[in-house]
Amino acid sequence: DAGVIQSPRHEVTEMGQEVTLRCKPISGHDYLFWYRQTMMRGLELLIYFNNNVPIDDSGMPEDRFSAKMPNASFSTLKIQPSEPRDSAVYFCASSLVPSRADTQYFGPGTRLTVL
Amino acid sequence: DAKTTQPTSMDCAEGRAANLPCNHSTISGNEYVYWYRQIHSQGPQYIIHGLKNNETNEMASLIITEDRKSSTLILPHATLRDTAVYYCIVRVAHQGAQKLVFGQGTRLTINP
Repeated sequence: DAGVIQSPRHEVTEMGQEVTLRCKPISGHDYLFWYRQTMMRGLELLIYFNNNVPIDDSGMPEDRFSAKMPNASFSTLKIQPSEPRDSAVYFCASSLVPSRADTQYFGPGTRLTVL
Repeated sequence: DAKTTQPTSMDCAEGRAANLPCNHSTISGNEYVYWYRQIHSQGPQYIIHGLKNNETNEMASLIITEDRKSSTLILPHATLRDTAVYYCIVRVAHQGAQKLVFGQGTRLTINP
């Protein structure tokens, strides 16, 4: 398996623009997670899905952020409008439950810069 | 999920064993200890986890004290590629809520 795939790997945009981050989880995994990492706040969980249904979005910072999972092989995280403080690395992860290790597998991340 | 305490940074010589401590004094009976690491510019990577028995896999060993209030991750023969931030996380496993709460971790530097 190719692992969790994220695109784009790097995104540079201007304040006020819409940004869409994409994630393809590992085939067969039924949980999908979106995390954000900054120097100040470290790694934070934004939202996670189980079988394409959002389970916990308490980590989503504002209404400007939205996430969807239209099918088992694709998810998006959208920021509209973007702001400079949204600059961060966004990670997508997936996992299979139940499994022995209950492990989350992370993608390579998308580095977002909002100017 | 229980709070964990880890040293901010550690150094280890290449080829030696790296021992990374973690305190989790408020851990509950059904919470597991997980270790992940994050190599620079990559996503976090699962290393190992355990409940109360010591565990070993191809990457590392996990030693959990009898009272389960602390644990140690051991990389038996550290290499330069083991330089990373190591996160100790305690959480209930195999449940519907699968949050991983990452602290600041330990920045491990392996020196040649």
